Amino acid sequence: GAVVSQHPSWVICKSGTSVKIECRSLDFQATTMFWYRQFPKQSLMLMATSNEGSKATYEQGVEKDKFLINHASLTLSTLTVTSAHPEDSSFYICSATLHAGSYNEQFFGPGTRLTVL
Amino acid sequence: TQLLEQSPQFLSIQEGENLTVYCNSSSVFSSLQWYRQEPGEGPVLLVTVVTGGEVKKLKRLTFQFGDARKDSSLHITAAQPGDTGLYLCAVRYGGSQGNLIFGKGTKLSVKP
Repeated sequence: GAVVSQHPSWVICKSGTSVKIECRSLDFQATTMFWYRQFPKQSLMLMATSNEGSKATYEQGVEKDKFLINHASLTLSTLTVTSAHPEDSSFYICSATLHAGSYNEQFFGPGTRLTVL
Repeated sequence: TQLLEQSPQFLSIQEGENLTVYCNSSSVFSSLQWYRQEPGEGPVLLVTVVTGGEVKKLKRLTFQFGDARKDSSLHITAAQPGDTGLYLCAVRYGGSQGNLIFGKGTKLSVKP
C-alpha cells in the first residue's frame, strides 16, 4: 500500500514558539492532503484540507492564521502551529489521497505528538 | 450532532470471546470505511463497504453494511490481544470527493 510519513513523530516546545510538522507521500503523488487533530480518548477531527498549489481549506473553528498550511509540492504538505500554547498539545495526523481512476483512498501518516509546555 | 454514532464506546473482553461493535447514522452513505488505530499511530484502513447488505470478511473480522446504507457492524470472532485498539468508522460527507468524517470510535481491549 501507499506510505505516508510524518516528521517529527513527537515534539516538545515552549509556549509561544512555532512548530512545523511535515507530511510526505513517499511513493505516490497527492494533490490533496488532510490534517487532523486528535485529543486523548477522542476521534480524529478534520482541521483543514491542503491543496497543492492553492490555499488550504479550513474547517469551521480552526484558525487559519494559527495553523499555517503549505502544500508546496505533490508529495509534501507542512503544518505550522504558530505561537503554540498548552491547549494546542495534541496528536496531529495527516493523510494523503491516492487517486486511481474513480477510486480514491486516503492513507494516513503515523501522527505527530505535540506537547506545549 | 455527531454524524456517526459508534457503540459501545469502550469494550474490555477476554481472549477468545466474540464481540460486535456498531456504527450508526440517520444519513445514507454511498460507502463506509472501518479503520483500526493503535496508540501513538495513525489509523489503518481495514475495509470499505459500498453495497447495502454487503458482508466482507477479513480473517476473524466480519463487516456488514446495513441494507439501507445507514449503519454498519464489525464482528470479531475469537478475539486476540493483537486486536486491541481503537476501531473507527468513517464516511465521506458530501459525495465521493467529500471529506472523510470519523465516528468517535470503540476502544477495544482484549486481555490474555
